[in-house]
Amino acid sequence: DAGITQSPRYKITETGRQVTLMCHQTWSHSYMFWYRQDLGHGLRLIYYSAAADITDKGEVPDGYVVSRSKTENFPLTLESATRSQTSVYFCASNLGSSYNEQFFGPGTRLTVL
Amino acid sequence: SQQGEEDPQALSIQEGENATMNCSYKTSINNLQWYRQNSGRGLVHLILIRSNEREKHSGRLRVTLDTSKKSSSLLITASRAADTASYFCATDAELTFGKGTLLTVNP
Repeated sequence: DAGITQSPRYKITETGRQVTLMCHQTWSHSYMFWYRQDLGHGLRLIYYSAAADITDKGEVPDGYVVSRSKTENFPLTLESATRSQTSVYFCASNLGSSYNEQFFGPGTRLTVL
Repeated sequence: SQQGEEDPQALSIQEGENATMNCSYKTSINNLQWYRQNSGRGLVHLILIRSNEREKHSGRLRVTLDTSKKSSSLLITASRAADTASYFCATDAELTFGKGTLLTVNP
């Protein structure tokens, strides 16, 4: 039972490059989320998805793109990475709605040089 | 804007003592959840309390909710070194977390 996984776990890239962070869950959860965690800011929601092909912006969506063609996958793309996007990114999922507990992945530590 | 705000930002206690951390929020909610994050890991759900509940227990955890004050507290009794972690609250009203309370339990 793999649960929810993220890849890569660590990534170093350069300013201006496109980067895609992967998130995969094996529970067939409807909802999936992307957060970033930075010192002094806590966790901030980037995007979320209620189902395949349904996505919505969170608190800090600028500079990010998401897609959800399959229920189990929710990739996050930084189209042109900036230093301010250096952060730890967490993916999460839950059963049916925002009312339920979220299950978090292990995180991806991204460094943009 | 962040919905759940934890207080204090940091708390250091000795093993065996109780730890209390608080959460304040801004808008009406249906439920409030507490999570724990060990260093370098993702968040783990601890407990959920619904707006019509005032208190809930789970093992050594006790959560209270005061909807009139828009606040919640998490009490960890008889703390252990393994409880060292950051603790976050989140509400269903907004999918955001606060900055968390960093709890350090000294052996």
